[in-house]
Amino acid sequence: KAGVTQTPRYLIKTRGQQVTLSCSPISGHRSVSWYQQTPGQGLQFLFEYFSETQRNKGNFPGRFSGRQFSNSRSEMNVSTLELGDSALYLCASRMDRNQPQHFGDGTRLSIL
Amino acid sequence: LAKTTQPISMDSYEGQEVNITCSHNNIATNDYITWYQQFPSQGPRFIIQGYKTKVTNEVASLFIPADRKSSTLSLPRVSLSDTAVYYCLVGDLGGDKLIFGTGTRLQVFP
Repeated sequence: KAGVTQTPRYLIKTRGQQVTLSCSPISGHRSVSWYQQTPGQGLQFLFEYFSETQRNKGNFPGRFSGRQFSNSRSEMNVSTLELGDSALYLCASRMDRNQPQHFGDGTRLSIL
Repeated sequence: LAKTTQPISMDSYEGQEVNITCSHNNIATNDYITWYQQFPSQGPRFIIQGYKTKVTNEVASLFIPADRKSSTLSLPRVSLSDTAVYYCLVGDLGGDKLIFGTGTRLQVFP
């Protein structure tokens, strides 16, 4: 069974630009969550989608948005990029509540 | 989410069995115990999950005593590639409830 796939693996952008990250969950998993990981802040929750609906949202500004498609694939968009947005962005999927999350290897976003 | 306590670091040698214990005194009745492994610049990798007694899969075993206030992750015959940070989590791991602590940094020597 294929794992969670995130694309691209690495991305370099400049301030003010926007970016879209993609996540393909494990087949059969309907819940997709996004996290930002930085050395100083650790793992921070962005949002969770279930069956195309946002089920939960973390404390990030509106520049961070996401969506989930009918095939459970998800995208995350960040507009007006700032230097502080440099991080590893992780996507995780699971069947439903009380099931373990399975993570992708992330997208390393660097803002110049 | 129940608070967990685990050793900051552990050292071992190739071929040895490694046991990492996690304390979770405030575990709730419905909480599961889940362990993850993480390498630098990669996403956490799910290792094993259990509720009580013993769970075993192809990579590890998880031992949970009757009172469930602690759990032990057992890695048989570790290799250099098992050098990583191991995290113990308790409870529902969805959304904003997923909080990784400092974990246990395992260093395997040749």
